[in-house]
Amino acid sequence: EVQLVDSGGGLEQPGGSLRVSCAGSGFSFRTYAMSWVRQAPGKGLEWLSSISAGGGDTYYADSVKGRFTISRDNSKNTLYLQMNSLRAEDTALYFCAKDQEPLPQPNWYFDLWGRGTLVTVSS
Amino acid sequence: DVRLTQSPSSLSAAVGDRVTITCRANQGITTYLNWYQQKPGKAPYLLIYGAFTLQTGVPSRFSGSGSGTEFILTINSLRPEDFATYYCQQSFSTPITFGQGTRLEF
Repeated sequence: EVQLVDSGGGLEQPGGSLRVSCAGSGFSFRTYAMSWVRQAPGKGLEWLSSISAGGGDTYYADSVKGRFTISRDNSKNTLYLQMNSLRAEDTALYFCAKDQEPLPQPNWYFDLWGRGTLVTVSS
Repeated sequence: DVRLTQSPSSLSAAVGDRVTITCRANQGITTYLNWYQQKPGKAPYLLIYGAFTLQTGVPSRFSGSGSGTEFILTINSLRPEDFATYYCQQSFSTPITFGQGTRLEF
């Protein structure tokens, strides 16, 4: 089955760190760029970060640049988002998403999404 | 940054109706515009990419049009499963941005 499984969310204090993961299966993970998108409770979608298929190029939204790091391990078919210096406004459901086309660089639109992992930042 | 504004923000309709949702960009993005459907508690689902190309498996009652700065999602003959929130998203330039969403309800 073609799927993405997000994990690693939880409750963290402001200023803390958390790493969320996304395991892909049923497709050639290493040939697709991948992204993270979040959704705060009751709010819309916010793109956070993308990484090229090979992992050599990364892209970030200003809201997370310098605090979050996207990475991938193609040998494990897994995408990561390391989140540091967490703030209350980072509280959201974090989705990983797969690009539509198997290209080295991102196409920037997403045909497969994980179910999301909830990150709550609160003291 | 490309800003996307959807209208309306919410829309009441009935089964069998035809509805349109508009997405306007604050600068030209040619046809780098995509549409997603999201149901409560679920991940978004790609409906249309490149402004008008229907994603595989999406019913033909969905269609997209537009280019430049104005785009339209049309749903013909609404079915009960179509009641959801719809988002447009631009893939023209980073940062990638989404519209604020349009909630389609009974």
